[in-house]
Amino acid sequence: AQRVTQPEKLLSVFKGAPVELKCNYSYSGSPELFWYVQYSRQRLQLLLRHISRESIKGFTADLNKGETSFHLKKPFAQEEDSAMYYCALSDYQTGANNLFFGTGTRLTVIP
Amino acid sequence: NAGVTQTPKFRVLKTGQSMTLLCAQDMNHEYMYWYRQDPGMGLRLIHYSVGEGTTAKGEVPDGYNVSRLKKQNFLLGLESAAPSQTSVYFCASMRGQGKDEQFFGPGTRLTVL
Repeated sequence: AQRVTQPEKLLSVFKGAPVELKCNYSYSGSPELFWYVQYSRQRLQLLLRHISRESIKGFTADLNKGETSFHLKKPFAQEEDSAMYYCALSDYQTGANNLFFGTGTRLTVIP
Repeated sequence: NAGVTQTPKFRVLKTGQSMTLLCAQDMNHEYMYWYRQDPGMGLRLIHYSVGEGTTAKGEVPDGYNVSRLKKQNFLLGLESAAPSQTSVYFCASMRGQGKDEQFFGPGTRLTVL
């Protein structure tokens, strides 16, 4: 069964400090992984996906198949990064591309 | 483009009442989804549709029904609401082909007393 684990419900860092949000997954196949973000009073939106290998708003995430992880990182946190972050795995093998979400991590960047 | 819209934004029901949540998208997307979000649980898939006239069960379908009579609309029905269905409901849509992203609506906060 597909499963996504985000071990930290809450994470607080100071502005300018590095931040890492952890995500581990289990999937019997080649995974398709995403990070979605929900800022205060805004809808859930895609932050980045592993196939694009791009940096969005200074965030990067590398898929580590050996450790089955897809941690989200940013070298210098900003106050505007405070939000709820969800790691998600797409079950594209079924043809429906259903997303399985982790429980989320609320990041607070302290000024 | 409005993207994905949801109606209503808030609703309070009594146990046993019924209601329908409407999701609409103007992006001509093939795939549509209904999720529920509960504290400490993340988002869980209720039902989904891969095209007009099709629906399928997700992870937590019990107590819900859906219909996709028009491509742009995906309706979620609660026939007899229960307090366990108190949640925030999110609709999403996706273009369909390939490993694409899902676009989410703003959510509907439902309370069942």
